[in-house]
Amino acid sequence: DSGVTQTPKHLITATGQRVTLRCSPRSGDLSVYWYQQSLDQGLQFLIQYYNGEERAKGNILERFSAQQFPDLHSELNLSSLELGDSALYFCASSGGWTSGGRDTQYFGPGTRLTVL
Amino acid sequence: GENVEQHPSTLSVQEGDSAVIKCTYSDSASNYFPWYKQELGKRPQLIIDIRSNVGEKKDQRIAVTLNKTAKHFSLHITETQPEDSAVYFCAALRGAGGTSYGKLTFGQGTILTVHP
Repeated sequence: DSGVTQTPKHLITATGQRVTLRCSPRSGDLSVYWYQQSLDQGLQFLIQYYNGEERAKGNILERFSAQQFPDLHSELNLSSLELGDSALYFCASSGGWTSGGRDTQYFGPGTRLTVL
Repeated sequence: GENVEQHPSTLSVQEGDSAVIKCTYSDSASNYFPWYKQELGKRPQLIIDIRSNVGEKKDQRIAVTLNKTAKHFSLHITETQPEDSAVYFCAALRGAGGTSYGKLTFGQGTILTVHP
């Protein structure tokens, strides 16, 4: 167990819908990262938050957004869902900038999203 | 941006043999290189990592080597066991400075199968 929690474990929804994925980082970690893993794309970085602020952005679609709250949990919002959004969505956390930004990232168990 | 190439995509070995997976990266500013093991449907788990100020790191049957000049790093697993069967991902992370700070760029993954 990495200490990173994600809910829900599974999510099945229809095209055009909107969903919210939730992540709680390890105790004491300030940085949260979101990754998407699909069969043909591997693990793709989406976005990073540090202590409530967006710090780095990857290949995140405009239909997707995220935020990190004062208690450091994070939510990833996916809207106008398409079939191709079906994937495993992982959250990871690390300690943050104080250790030089080269922190180990620990992954949560993931949310499997299926869009029908 | 950073690009990480990983080879081979599949690797099949007999129990007790060694396995080697190689990765190359493009961004000379990358200075942290973790390796993750992922079992089917589960989260990526860190198995070993190396920072750019060392050339080799070992942890029991697992070792990682880094050649900064050539911009490649390798994972070595000795005395493989069937429970080593999984997908292995290498990754690279850029250090201080720049918008890619904290962003892990993953290789495409290697499916390792260890036959009893």
